[in-house]
Amino acid sequence: GDSVTQTEGQVTVSESKSLIINCTYSTTSIAYPNLFWYVRYPGEGLQLLLKVITAGQKGSSRGFEATYNKETTSFHLQKASVQESDSAVYYCALGDLSSGSWQLIFGSGTQLTVMP
Amino acid sequence: EAAVTQSPRNKVAVTGGKVTLSCNQTNNHNNMYWYRQDTGHGLRLIHYSYGAGSTEKGDIPDGYKASRPSQENFSLILELATPSQTSVYFCASGERTGGYEQYFGPGTRLTVL
Repeated sequence: GDSVTQTEGQVTVSESKSLIINCTYSTTSIAYPNLFWYVRYPGEGLQLLLKVITAGQKGSSRGFEATYNKETTSFHLQKASVQESDSAVYYCALGDLSSGSWQLIFGSGTQLTVMP
Repeated sequence: EAAVTQSPRNKVAVTGGKVTLSCNQTNNHNNMYWYRQDTGHGLRLIHYSYGAGSTEKGDIPDGYKASRPSQENFSLILELATPSQTSVYFCASGERTGGYEQYFGPGTRLTVL
């Protein structure tokens, strides 16, 4: 089956420092899955942060970037300078059409804490 | 403004009791989804629907039922709640266009004692 792996459950970064949150995926059913990063701020639902549907392309939003790397099956999230307001839980996800439902397969999430 | 809303936002239930979680969307999307999210796990799909009158099993349907009486509403039903169903539940809507993005509600925190 398909899966998404986020190796860091929690990441703490000082304000204005750079950030990378790792995401790798595995798929047996789709050659080129759609890839997503969602963010969940405290007390809120998940919001789409960025998506990339073409291998080799980069997505960006709110200063965050992620590049769809088919060779390494990775979709790491990066930001050059984080702010305290970026503190949230970040989920990497893969779009799976094979089941017919177009469900999203989520990683376990990474809790980002930005220290002032 | 298009949105997905959920009620209640918090619920405490007793073991063996019946629980109904409600979801309403104004996105006019055909597809709706129920996920649960537990610490150390990503969101896992419980049930989904292609439209009014349709419900389908997701990856972890045991112990849950779903109902889609209209385009806008999608309910998750726990007929006999158990402590293992303590979790945060998210509803989402989505459509095939737009890269199959899904739009999520704020979540319902359910505690079964």
